[in-house]
Amino acid sequence: GIQVEQSPPDLILQEGANSTLRCNFSDSVNNLQWFHQNPWGQLINLFYIPSGTKQNGRLSATTVATERYSLLYISSSQTTDSGVYFCAVGLGGTSYGKLTFGQGTILTVHP
Amino acid sequence: DAGVTQSPTHLIKTRGQQVTLRCSPKSGHDTVSWYQQALGQGPQFIFQYYEEEERQRGNFPDRFSGHQFPNYSSELNVNALLLGDSALYLCASSLIGRNYGYTFGSGTRLTVV
Repeated sequence: GIQVEQSPPDLILQEGANSTLRCNFSDSVNNLQWFHQNPWGQLINLFYIPSGTKQNGRLSATTVATERYSLLYISSSQTTDSGVYFCAVGLGGTSYGKLTFGQGTILTVHP
Repeated sequence: DAGVTQSPTHLIKTRGQQVTLRCSPKSGHDTVSWYQQALGQGPQFIFQYYEEEERQRGNFPDRFSGHQFPNYSSELNVNALLLGDSALYLCASSLIGRNYGYTFGSGTRLTVV
């Protein structure tokens, strides 16, 4: 099956710093999403980005599908950004709808 | 607009017992998927239901079964519980044919003792 690798596994920042999270995947995908898991366990969808670049406030994401990677940028980080960030990918065809998640990046932002 | 609702939030069961977890999808969604998230890991796909049928299944044994009702809500059943079944169980709803708009619930934390 498809492999999803995220880096770094852990990231510790001071409030106000910028960061880049990376997601590599092993096969062509038609679905790529970034999620933030809050301390209560809920996965919040940040971006649906199978290709191209999107921005939402302090967060932006870029996916280069031909090179099989995606980047999530967090600028001017805040303590509320702390949590686990997951990249999840999906294939088309008979695997439509199934998401394969990476192991996540644990982000800790200190005041 | 209510999001995805899961119940119960926490559950403690004994090895060998059976458990049923419940999920109500977001209003307007017709597809429900279940994921298992072990501590420190990413969620793993269990199965997906659409039109009251299991459409896809991940690498989980037959002890894991499910059901979808006409109102699109869903249940996850696990028989003969093992200690390794302890995890956060997440339900996601979506609209068939759309890759975007996945909405997850807060999950049910199952502890098997």
